[in-house]
Amino acid sequence: AQSVTQPDIHITVSEGASLELRCNYSYGATPYLFWYVQSPGQGLQLLLKYFSGDTLVQGIKGFEAEFKRSQSSFNLRKPSVHWSDAAEYFCAVGKASNSGYALNFGKGTSLLVTP
Amino acid sequence: DGGITQSPKYLFRKEGQNVTLSCEQNLNHDAMYWYRQDPGQGLRLIYYSQIVNDFQKGDIAEGYSVSREKKESFPLTVTSAQKNPTAFYLCASSISSGGYNEQFFGPGTRLTVL
Repeated sequence: AQSVTQPDIHITVSEGASLELRCNYSYGATPYLFWYVQSPGQGLQLLLKYFSGDTLVQGIKGFEAEFKRSQSSFNLRKPSVHWSDAAEYFCAVGKASNSGYALNFGKGTSLLVTP
Repeated sequence: DGGITQSPKYLFRKEGQNVTLSCEQNLNHDAMYWYRQDPGQGLRLIYYSQIVNDFQKGDIAEGYSVSREKKESFPLTVTSAQKNPTAFYLCASSISSGGYNEQFFGPGTRLTVL
């Protein structure tokens, strides 16, 4: 079964510094990959998604992610972090068929931004 | 505005009581989902529904029940059989149930069992 691992539970970066959040997946075929963000006490918002084609995906709020099949990774990046980026970030994988299955989420990475 | 609403935002329940969480969407989506979120655990799927009058168990369905009588509504009942119901509950919807579809999330309901 497909699974998602986010190795970092917490990450702290300074405002203005670059950010990379790691995501590794386990899946035989090309997966459908997503990054979501959650502010405290709120629902999730989609940042970006990858289905096929260009392996560098641009999302909202200045985020991007790169799909690397050889490393089974889909890391999220941002060149310059803003204080408002402090939130929890979830990587998710979906099945590559219309079987009715929902997304499988990683356990999340909590981002703290310091002045 | 199209979106997903969940009510109430906070819910308190005594042990042994059933409680129903509301989820409504006006996005005209066929598929709807319920997730449970616990600290450090990510989101775990409770139930999902591909179309009206159809639903399937997810990974942690024990102690929960759902109905899908209308396309826009997917209420979740937390029964007294759920041993540890205190959690944050998120409802989501998507155009259809394929794994490639973006899911849109509601703001969540925080359930506390006293």
